[in-house]
Amino acid sequence: AQSVTQLGSHVSVSEGALVLLRCNYSSSVPPYLFWYVQYPNQGLQLLLKYTSAATLVKGINGFEAEFKKSETSFHLTKPSAHMSDAAEYFCAVRSTGGGNKLTFGTGTQLKVEL
Amino acid sequence: KAGVTQTPRYLIKTRGQQVTLSCSPISGHRSVSWYQQTPGQGLQFLFEYFSETQRNKGNFPGRFSGRQFSNSRSEMNVSTLELGDSALYLCASRSDGDGNYGYTFGSGTRLTVV
Repeated sequence: AQSVTQLGSHVSVSEGALVLLRCNYSSSVPPYLFWYVQYPNQGLQLLLKYTSAATLVKGINGFEAEFKKSETSFHLTKPSAHMSDAAEYFCAVRSTGGGNKLTFGTGTQLKVEL
Repeated sequence: KAGVTQTPRYLIKTRGQQVTLSCSPISGHRSVSWYQQTPGQGLQFLFEYFSETQRNKGNFPGRFSGRQFSNSRSEMNVSTLELGDSALYLCASRSDGDGNYGYTFGSGTRLTVV
């Protein structure tokens, strides 16, 4: 079964600093991986997805993620944090055994400080 | 293009009652999935429907059920509510079969059981 692990339940960065949110996956087959963002009292918004087309995936709001098979990682980065980036971020993997179930990580709360 | 619409946004029910939540997917999307989000358990998959058929089911008791109509709108029902059913219930729709693996989520229904 596929799974993802997010290291760090809380990450704090200064405005303008690099954002790095970590996600490692476990899958016996090439995975489909996703990053979602959730603002308070909102649903999940898709930031980007990896579907094996390219290892470096660019998403919305300046975010990108690199798929590294050797490290089983799909870390999310943004060169310069903005106050509006403060939210909770979820990494997810899609099951490949039929159906469209997403398995989510436990989430990382990003805090951006002045 | 309208997004995924979930109604109602907020709901307060009493233990032992039942509740029905509604989800209208993006026009043309035939796959609808439901997730439960709680602080303790995180995001958990409930079930997925495609063309009025349940295609996948998560590990939830039989009190949780769902259905999908011919226009792809979906409802989920929880009977004999328990305090632990208090959660944000999220619906996601997806366009199946066109290679786009992105799931679009609604804003959720916040259910409080008292």
